[in-house]
Formats: sequence, C-alpha cells, structure tokens
Amino acid sequence: EPEVTQTPSHQVTQMGQEVILRCVPISNHLYFYWYRQILGQKVEFLVSFYNNEISEKSEIFDDQFSVERPDGSNFTLKIRSTKLEDSAMYFCASSEGSSSYNEQFFGPGTRLTVL
Amino acid sequence: SQKIEQNSEALNIQEGKTATLTCNYTNYSPAYLQWYRQDPGRGPVFLLLIRENEKEKRKERLKVTFDTTLKQSLFHITASQPADSATYLCALDDQAGTALIFGKGTTLSVSS
Repeated sequence: EPEVTQTPSHQVTQMGQEVILRCVPISNHLYFYWYRQILGQKVEFLVSFYNNEISEKSEIFDDQFSVERPDGSNFTLKIRSTKLEDSAMYFCASSEGSSSYNEQFFGPGTRLTVL
Repeated sequence: SQKIEQNSEALNIQEGKTATLTCNYTNYSPAYLQWYRQDPGRGPVFLLLIRENEKEKRKERLKVTFDTTLKQSLFHITASQPADSATYLCALDDQAGTALIFGKGTTLSVSS
C-alpha cells in the first residue's frame, strides 16, 4: 500500500540553525501539506501546496518557514533559524485532491528538537 | 475562527462495549468532517469522512453521525477491543478548503 515517507525520523539542532525536513508524498497525489504537533497538544496546520505554489498557510507559517518541491517526488519544509518553540513533531501529508472531500494521508513524522 | 471541542480527554471502557466519542464545533458548519486515529509517536490515520448532507456513515465497527443543527459529530466503535486503544481526532475543513483543523483528541483505553 502506498504511503507517505519522511526523513529524518528525529532531528536535533541548535537554536538559530537551519533545518530541512523531507517528505515523499504518495506518487499520484496532487496536494501536499505540513502540520506540526507540539508535545501534548493538537495537530496544527502549517501550509498546503498545490501546482508548485502555496495554496494556504497558517499564522504559524511565518517568514522563517518555506516549502519546496525540488523534484518530482520530494516535498521539503525549511526552517531558516530555529527557535526553541519550534520543537515539535512535523507531519507531512498528501491527498489526491483538495482536502475538501478527500482524506489526507499522513507520514510518520519528524521529531524536531531544538536545543 | 472555528473551534473544535472533543469533550473527553480520556475515555476508559471495557472490551466488548461501545465507545462513543463527541466532537463539537462552534462556528461555521463545515462541508465535511473527518475522524482520524493517532497512536503515540505516529501520524494520524484516516478513518471516516462524513459530508454535511449525510447524517450517518458506517465502516465495519465504526459509525459516525453528523448533526449540523447541534454542531456535533458522534463517533462510535462497537464491540471495542484493546487494539482500539488510541487517540481519536476530529478534523474539519477550514473555509478555504485546503487545511484540516484538528481537535485535541480523545484518548480511548479499552481494557480486557
């Protein structure tokens, strides 16, 4: 069964450093998403991406964040200068169509720890 | 902005009983509502989607209802098993249609 994959599973970084989180969405899916979940809190939407551009972003997704689809398979989230409060699980998801009427398939997550 | 309340943070039931989880929303009526399961340290896994014009949806031992008048969805697991123990998340579309807004979840524990 096709699945969303994410690398690395765990990333430790120093405050102020740049990190890139990688995702391979399901191959025939057209919409891609990043969510985050701070420990003990709810899953929060960051950004959605379609047709090589951002469809929607939340207030959390400020200028420190960027997304890219560098090739036909990868989808990345970059945090330019990490802060302590960026420590969280980051989930990539994909769907065949817009999340209206379509389920989203989530990856296993990348645990980001900022020291 | 839309707020989602999943009334119980934790629900403990015995094996074989029916678990009923509640999701209430406060603002606009969403076009659809989804339920996901999340195990510790893992990503959410889709279970069921129900549209605003549907009252009820079933899948094996799972049943979801959607009452737009009450602004509420109920999620039922019948004949519950210890393997059903997990956190169950309710999610709604935002009005722009691409993001999912999640509730905090209800952690279900099924004891044998």
